[in-house]
Amino acid sequence: DTEVTQTPKHLVMGMTNKKSLKCEQHMGHRAMYWYKQKAKKPPELMFVYSYEKLSINESVPSRFSPECPNSSLLNLHLHALQPEDSALYLCASSQEAGTSGRAYYDEQYFGPGTRLTVT
Amino acid sequence: QKEVEQDPGPLSVPEGAIVSLNCTYSNSAFQYFMWYRQYSRKGPELLMYTYSSGNKEDGRFTAQVDKSSKYISLFIRDSQPSDSATYLCAVKDMRFGAGTRLTVKP
Repeated sequence: DTEVTQTPKHLVMGMTNKKSLKCEQHMGHRAMYWYKQKAKKPPELMFVYSYEKLSINESVPSRFSPECPNSSLLNLHLHALQPEDSALYLCASSQEAGTSGRAYYDEQYFGPGTRLTVT
Repeated sequence: QKEVEQDPGPLSVPEGAIVSLNCTYSNSAFQYFMWYRQYSRKGPELLMYTYSSGNKEDGRFTAQVDKSSKYISLFIRDSQPSDSATYLCAVKDMRFGAGTRLTVKP
């Protein structure tokens, strides 16, 4: 099973809502990632978890709160988002995270993403 | 200066053509280079990665790194309509290029 699943596929939320994005992998990978991708732009790394511990936070605003309950699951909690946060949120996993917490050589498997719209 | 530059295209070619996709990077210390393919409404998938200089071939795809000019390329031979996608180069620490949107016309 080389699949990373993400739920929900689509999410529309108001600026005062609280919602969560979920990601799951059963490949035994020990590194998991959140990316944000705006239309016609490349993915931008947000967070890296290595062995269930947050190892990289790319200066992401606190209205995004990641959580790694176990080695297979990764959540992204959303609160008080802004319309400019509307984007495709991608989860990825890899066997390991390299030194400095980044898997610069390990193959990353991406999920299909959650398309988020903030109204 | 961005760490990796990529022409966003779009690029349109006829079926069977050889496609050349290119990126330049700024830091000569980079050693790992990757190409991802992203279909519309899907997550990126890793096509190839290379370490240091040289070529790497996988079926119709060839990745090439020229460290002297800090230039990386992906060649697609006998391109197919199913190759139509956005191709993203990436360097160390998952810094992506802008992505080149490719359309292969039947």
